[in-house]
Amino acid sequence: EIMMTQSPATLSVSPGERATLSCRASQSVSSNLAWYQQKPGQAPRLLIYGASTRATGIPARFSGSGSGTEFTLTISSLQSEDFAVYYCQQYNNWPLTFGGGTKVEIK
Amino acid sequence: EVQLVESGGGLVQPGGSLRLSCAASGFTFSGYWMHWVRQAPGKGLVWVSRINTDGSSTSYADSVKGRFTISRDNAKNTLYLQMNSLRAEDTAVYYCARGNDFWSDKWGQGTLVTVSS
Repeated sequence: EIMMTQSPATLSVSPGERATLSCRASQSVSSNLAWYQQKPGQAPRLLIYGASTRATGIPARFSGSGSGTEFTLTISSLQSEDFAVYYCQQYNNWPLTFGGGTKVEIK
Repeated sequence: EVQLVESGGGLVQPGGSLRLSCAASGFTFSGYWMHWVRQAPGKGLVWVSRINTDGSSTSYADSVKGRFTISRDNAKNTLYLQMNSLRAEDTAVYYCARGNDFWSDKWGQGTLVTVSS
């Protein structure tokens, strides 16, 4: 099973600032990586797939990069609605596995 | 509008059974793979099971293999998860999700399963 490790666990950012979230895989997953956003009491929302392709309706301030074992989700200018928990998920190997999440909180 | 509505959760004793349902609307249900993903209270997401478009192919996490069964009724636009031999560690919110065989682009709001005596 591929282990996904996200860092940091919590990221404190001021509105308008840039946020950079990291996700590391225990072995190469090529570009087979997705990112999700989850707000308290809500279902997850797909942001990115294929490591860098934004899902339908996702604002351009969200961008993904990386391949192999190292991936990054960047939020260029944080809006109030972006404070949430973010999860990466690999789909290169079965079973599908998620990272433990990064909570982006207001500084 | 795409809607996924889970039901069937509740309190069950260890060793008991529950069947979760997920009613789909607003899209061609038979054209999508479907997944169950769970989230224990205060914890992260864990993929549980997936099923292909016609139900002929299924996959399970090792932690539920042999105890859970995923199925679908495309005529009723409904996804199911039969859960047997439930354990305390199965306590979680269970989400159904639409997607392909790799990721999920729409999720339901979840149903809470609590396994406790």
